[in-house]
Amino acid sequence: AQKVTQAQTEISVVEKEDVTLDCVYETRDTTYYLFWYKQPPSGELVFLIRRNSFDEQNEISGRYSWNFQKSTSSFNFTITASQVVDSAVYFCALSSSGSNFNKFYFGSGTKLNVKP
Amino acid sequence: NAGVTQTPKFQVLKTGQSMTLQCAQDMNHEYMSWYRQDPGMGLRLIHYSVGAGITDQGEVPNGYNVSRSTTEDFPLRLLSAAPSQTSVYFCASRLSGTSGLSSYNEQFFGPGTRLTVL
Repeated sequence: AQKVTQAQTEISVVEKEDVTLDCVYETRDTTYYLFWYKQPPSGELVFLIRRNSFDEQNEISGRYSWNFQKSTSSFNFTITASQVVDSAVYFCALSSSGSNFNKFYFGSGTKLNVKP
Repeated sequence: NAGVTQTPKFQVLKTGQSMTLQCAQDMNHEYMSWYRQDPGMGLRLIHYSVGAGITDQGEVPNGYNVSRSTTEDFPLRLLSAAPSQTSVYFCASRLSGTSGLSSYNEQFFGPGTRLTVL
């Protein structure tokens, strides 16, 4: 079964604090893909990153970084020096090879509130 | 490119009414899909299509019909709306690629349709 768990429903931080959003996934497939999306208050979904299961290198993009650990089935997302504009709901998602290739499974999302 | 467009943006229906949510993309993407977003549940896949004439069910297909007669359009039909179908609906598209590691492409999402069924 495919499943994505985002245990943190809502997080509040003060601007400039670092914050990590957790994502734990379940899949029996050896080839799979992980994603993060951002949904700001305006409602649209913005793609942030895609990783495949054979690429465990961590990635940094400006203030954003991602830590992919197959040993713990986690794909965590860290925002460094958070800003008010980072306030949004963040979704982690999973897809995989074989019969699940065309199916996308989203976590329930983590709402991040960044206060000035 | 307009990307993925959805109409209408808002809709209110009465129980039992039918309607079609429209979705179109101008990126020549083979793959298109419909999701619903409910509070605390993330997005759930309703139906998807890998090309014209080919559709399949997702996680929550009951109460919804789809068809794909062209590459550009993928409408979602509610034949008899129920209050449980009150939700925000997103359409998405992407290049299908293959199941190879480097060819899984990102999905582009439309702006969403907020549907209320009374």
